[in-house]
Amino acid sequence: ELKVEQNPLFLSMQEGKNYTIYCNYSTTSDRLYWYRQDPGKSLESLFVLLSNGAVKQEGRLMASLDTKARLSTLHITAAVHDLSATYFCAVVGGTYKYIFGTGTRLKVLA
Amino acid sequence: DAGVTQSPTHLIKTRGQQVTLRCSPKSGHDTVSWYQQALGQGPQFIFQYYEEEERQRGNFPDRFSGHQFPNYSSELNVNALLLGDSALYLCASSFRLAGALRTDTQYFGPGTRLTVL
Repeated sequence: ELKVEQNPLFLSMQEGKNYTIYCNYSTTSDRLYWYRQDPGKSLESLFVLLSNGAVKQEGRLMASLDTKARLSTLHITAAVHDLSATYFCAVVGGTYKYIFGTGTRLKVLA
Repeated sequence: DAGVTQSPTHLIKTRGQQVTLRCSPKSGHDTVSWYQQALGQGPQFIFQYYEEEERQRGNFPDRFSGHQFPNYSSELNVNALLLGDSALYLCASSFRLAGALRTDTQYFGPGTRLTVL
């Protein structure tokens, strides 16, 4: 059964610092998503990564995918308070369903 | 362009009762998936509907059932509610690419917060 793990689970960082969130998955998948969730809110799609070596960037966030290592990273550059949220990766399991990671709760301190 | 909408926003039920949650997909989308998100957890896949049929199901008991209507909207029904069913229920819609088994990116609605007392 496909499993998705993220680390760290919690991340507290200072504004202006860089950090990386890791997403590992257990079986082959050629599609990986990153979502953001603010407290009490729904999930907002950030990136979809479709192939090995794919890299997507939006503002201070950059996501990459290594399908051979079954690893995706979400890199945060020069963090700002507005990036505080929970970040989920999700891998397509089988044909239809998304398998979500445990989530990384990010808190950016001023 | 309206996104995914869900109703109601919040719901409080007691153990043993039944509940129906509703979802209208994003315009142009034909596939609806339902997820359960317990507090502090990632969303768990319940099932997906396409062409008014359940296409795949996650590890949820038969107490969880659903339906998709010809206009692509969907309902999630939960019978014999348990305390453990308290969660945020998310609906996600997507579009099935022509000739493909998979759908494009799933877009999530605001969710229905269900509390079982």
